[in-house]
Amino acid sequence: EVQLVESGGGLVHPGGSLRLSCAASGFTFSSRWMHWVRQAPGKGLMWVSDIDTDGSTTYYADSVKGRFTISRDNAKNTLFLQMNSLRAEDTAKYYCARDLHWGASDIWGQGTMVTVSS
Amino acid sequence: VMTQTPLSLSVTPGQPASITCKSSQSLLHSDGNTYLCWYLQKPGQSPQLLIYEVSRRFSGVPDRFSGSGSGTDFTLQISRVEAEDVGVYYCMQGRHLPLTFGGGTKVEIK
Repeated sequence: EVQLVESGGGLVHPGGSLRLSCAASGFTFSSRWMHWVRQAPGKGLMWVSDIDTDGSTTYYADSVKGRFTISRDNAKNTLFLQMNSLRAEDTAKYYCARDLHWGASDIWGQGTMVTVSS
Repeated sequence: VMTQTPLSLSVTPGQPASITCKSSQSLLHSDGNTYLCWYLQKPGQSPQLLIYEVSRRFSGVPDRFSGSGSGTDFTLQISRVEAEDVGVYYCMQGRHLPLTFGGGTKVEIK
């Protein structure tokens, strides 16, 4: 079964850090671009970052650039999002998603919740 | 910027529904493709892909869902709404960075 499972979310103080993971299974992980998308409570979807197949090319939303780092370990079929200098406005459910073609994502994880609060 | 209308829609089962999405810039790529897709997020679930490249229905999506449009103006149509179609629909463009979603259209059943 094709599956993405996120982990690593939790409660963190403003200015703190978290590292999210997304374990992929059921497909050739190393051949697909991957995305992180977030959704603040009761709000819409916001693209956060994406990464190419070998990790050499990455892109970020302006609001997270310089604070978040996307990476991947193709040997372990795992996608990561290192989040530093967290702010209250980063509070959201974070989804990893598999790219089908030019941003359209055909497989999504269940999401992991990140809460930034003092 | 992706602007979706309406914000919400209440539809009688069996009736059609239509959602529009307008982009602030053309989504047509020099390769001839237009990178606009549609998602449905059912209550309590992750988003699911319905349509990509304007009108290509994703595998397993019922044929009552169709997409159309070009350039900056796009439409998602549901020919006959069913109870399982409730949720929030989002358009998303993949042509320009950053990738951007519309604000969402909540569809409920009357």
